[in-house]
Amino acid sequence: ELKVEQNPLFLSMQEGKNYTIYCNYSTTSDRLYWYRQDPGKSLESLFVLLSNGAVKQEGRLMASLDTKARLSTLHITAAVHDLSATYFCAVDTTSGTYKYIFGTGTRLKVLA
Amino acid sequence: DARVTQTPRHKVTEMGQEVTMRCQPILGHNTVFWYRQTMMQGLELLAYFRNRAPLDDSGMPKDRFSAEMPDATLATLKIQPSEPRDSAVYFCASGTTPKGVRTKNIQYFGAGTRLSVL
Repeated sequence: ELKVEQNPLFLSMQEGKNYTIYCNYSTTSDRLYWYRQDPGKSLESLFVLLSNGAVKQEGRLMASLDTKARLSTLHITAAVHDLSATYFCAVDTTSGTYKYIFGTGTRLKVLA
Repeated sequence: DARVTQTPRHKVTEMGQEVTMRCQPILGHNTVFWYRQTMMQGLELLAYFRNRAPLDDSGMPKDRFSAEMPDATLATLKIQPSEPRDSAVYFCASGTTPKGVRTKNIQYFGAGTRLSVL
């Protein structure tokens, strides 16, 4: 059974600092996704990583994928308050059903 | 601006009542997913449709929950009878079946229905 774990679960950081969120998954997968959720809101797609070594960047966020280690990272550079949200990774199962297994989420709070 | 539309946005009901949540997927999408989000369990997949056919509802309590797609523009999730433990935010998401291994399978989420069962 595919399991997806994120750490940390909670992250409080100062503006201007860098930090990394980790997403580990237990079995082979073809695709990995990062989503953002603001409090009381829906989930918004941030990145799609389709192959080993894939790196995607948008503003202060950069996501990478290491399929051999079954690990994805979401790196935050020089955090700003607007990045405060919950970040989820999701892994696409390889069974052909194309359904996601979501990680537990990382609640990020950036302090001014 | 294509989006997944869910109604109602909020629902407060009493235990034992029937609850129906509706979802209009993005036009042209052929996959629909229902998720439940709670603080304790996180995001759980309840049901999954492809081309209106149910593919997986293993995450759904069968005795009280049912999911259908009467047509390509409407998906429904029903709870009958509702219980306080069903209180959660229910999300619908839609997408398209990937064409190959290196193609995306992005799910687009609706705004959710916040359900409170008293």
